[in-house]
Amino acid sequence: EAGVAQSPRYKIIEKRQSVAFWCNPISGHATLYWYQQILGQGPKLLIQFQNNGVVDDSQLPKDRFSAERLKGVDSTLKIQPAKLEDSAVYLCASSLMIGRNEQFFGPGTRLTVL
Amino acid sequence: AQKITQTQPGMFVQEKEAVTLDCTYDTSDPSYGLFWYKQPSSGEMIFLIYQGSYDQQNATEGRYSLNFQKARKSANLVISASQLGDSAMYFCAMRGGAGNNRKLIWGLGTSLAVNP
Repeated sequence: EAGVAQSPRYKIIEKRQSVAFWCNPISGHATLYWYQQILGQGPKLLIQFQNNGVVDDSQLPKDRFSAERLKGVDSTLKIQPAKLEDSAVYLCASSLMIGRNEQFFGPGTRLTVL
Repeated sequence: AQKITQTQPGMFVQEKEAVTLDCTYDTSDPSYGLFWYKQPSSGEMIFLIYQGSYDQQNATEGRYSLNFQKARKSANLVISASQLGDSAMYFCAMRGGAGNNRKLIWGLGTSLAVNP
């Protein structure tokens, strides 16, 4: 079974530029999560989708971050414009949303904002 | 409020020895789940083990076991026979509540170094 796919793996941009990350969850997983993980910290949930609807985006900085999950499968997270403090690893995860609901993570995208 | 506490920022262990990573939690939900994840330097978060609040026995997965003490609200991870490849960050997380918004609450992690 294929895991969660993310691209790109690494991205370096200058502040005020825009960037987009892509995630394809495990087939059949209804729930998709985007996390931001700053070095030395635990993951911080940015947004949670159930199929193509948003369940929780309370910690998403909506003035600059946006995310969509058209057709309830893959998802895109965008930052526009980027700030220095956005430098982090962006993790995508998916889960079945039934049973114990463990989340399976992709390899992450390491973003550096200069 | 729900909270996960990992009090050990860093731990060292000799190869082939056992190590315990501490995790305490706080929740008022009667139903919850506890997870441990491993994050190597490559960055990917790897699921290790799960313990449900109603599970009667401590969870085990190969060399990983979870020492679940419900009254003390602790869910420590025990790694037996440590290997060099176990060097990584380890995160404890809790899922509580009901319905669709069953998001994970994460601890700050423990960095484990296995010495040869």
